Amino acid sequence: DAGVIQSPRHEVTEMGQEVTLRCKPISGHNSLFWYRQTMMRGLELLIYFNNNVPIDDSGMPEDRFSAKMPNASFSTLKIQPSEPRDSAVYFCASSLSMNTGELFFGEGSRLTVL
Amino acid sequence: AQSVTQLDSHVSVSEGTPVLLRCNYSSSYSPSLFWYVQHPNKGLQLLLKYTSAATLVKGINGFEAEFKKSETSFHLTKPSAHMSDAAEYFCVVRPYNNNDMRFGAGTRLTVKP
Repeated sequence: DAGVIQSPRHEVTEMGQEVTLRCKPISGHNSLFWYRQTMMRGLELLIYFNNNVPIDDSGMPEDRFSAKMPNASFSTLKIQPSEPRDSAVYFCASSLSMNTGELFFGEGSRLTVL
Repeated sequence: AQSVTQLDSHVSVSEGTPVLLRCNYSSSYSPSLFWYVQHPNKGLQLLLKYTSAATLVKGINGFEAEFKKSETSFHLTKPSAHMSDAAEYFCVVRPYNNNDMRFGAGTRLTVKP
């Protein structure tokens, strides 16, 4: 079975540019999570969806960040405009339901903003 | 509020010797606790989870963890380390009533030949 698929795996961009990260969750999973990982702050939950509906976006750092889940098989995380401090690895994870706590992670998208 | 503290940022063991990665948690309610492993340039993978059933939990790859409420601990152990165990390990707490999973800072395990 295919796991969680993220793209791109690596992105290098310049400050001020728009960045879009994509995620395809495991088929049949109803919950999707976006995390950010940095050396300084570790793993941070940005937002999560249940049945395509955003449940908690309190972790989204600023209005420059937005996330959508138009259908059960696709989600995007957008940063506009990007800044150097957004450089991090962004992980998408999915789970069967919101309450299992068992997350299946993608391999991450490493973002570098110059 | 719930949180976890991983007591060691780095643990180094020799191949074939026991592994102990320490985790203490705080939670206002009965928590669920997890250990995840992250190999270099990979996503996190669930090793094991505790959800108020047996206090000794067995996971994949020979790892175990014991939930000790009196000590608020959930330490991860393995009797004999293998080179492939070298990775970053994360202890995670989630209260029973929401999905706010809190990850520890991680413990990097090095296995020497």
